[in-house]
Amino acid sequence: QKEVEQDPGPLSVPEGAIVSLNCTYSNSAFQYFMWYRQYSRKGPELLMYTYSSGNKEDGRFTAQVDKSSKYISLFIRDSQPSDSATYLCAMTHTGANSKLTFGKGITLSVRP
Amino acid sequence: DAEITQSPRHKITETGRQVTLACHQTWNHNNMFWYRQDLGHGLRLIHYSYGVQDTNKGEVSDGYSVSRSNTEDLPLTLESAASSQTSVYFCASSESGSGEETQYFGPGTRLLVL
Repeated sequence: QKEVEQDPGPLSVPEGAIVSLNCTYSNSAFQYFMWYRQYSRKGPELLMYTYSSGNKEDGRFTAQVDKSSKYISLFIRDSQPSDSATYLCAMTHTGANSKLTFGKGITLSVRP
Repeated sequence: DAEITQSPRHKITETGRQVTLACHQTWNHNNMFWYRQDLGHGLRLIHYSYGVQDTNKGEVSDGYSVSRSNTEDLPLTLESAASSQTSVYFCASSESGSGEETQYFGPGTRLLVL
């Protein structure tokens, strides 16, 4: 079993839809959880960052972590065509000098 | 503004040639990383460094090497390029011991090995 599993997609939604992106993981030592957004032919950029369990909201984006289920989600409200990108989840054990383990990414397309 | 740059952005080479991909960051970060990104595999760590003269192997290090002679640069060398090394390569950096693993990524280098 891979340490981090992410739905492969692709995912296509109409503009204005609520989008739910998910990852599961197997390593209970993971404590830091991130979502990166990657536009076509660009490098990944950090979108959301969460420590341990709980929710974090930033504008139209909400990151949710359920450590008991080893499950993380990214919700996008009122999706826009500009949200069309590949979304990668990433996680790590500790904060200092630790390596990230990435999901494979899911490509989202928001149709106008 | 601080940034991380990679060069070249595109490279075509032949099997067996030595290739070096450059990565330069002006964040003054101690940590630097090299990844490759392939369809079906996502981002995989090749090598990483936590400071000058420090280098470590990642998940897919065979056929690659790095050296760290200063804080700003971590060049990635393909000793003898193989077709299996056709990929998109990303360099990243992060602040040491920040407690927040925000890795900043470069724009990537697309490498084609013929």
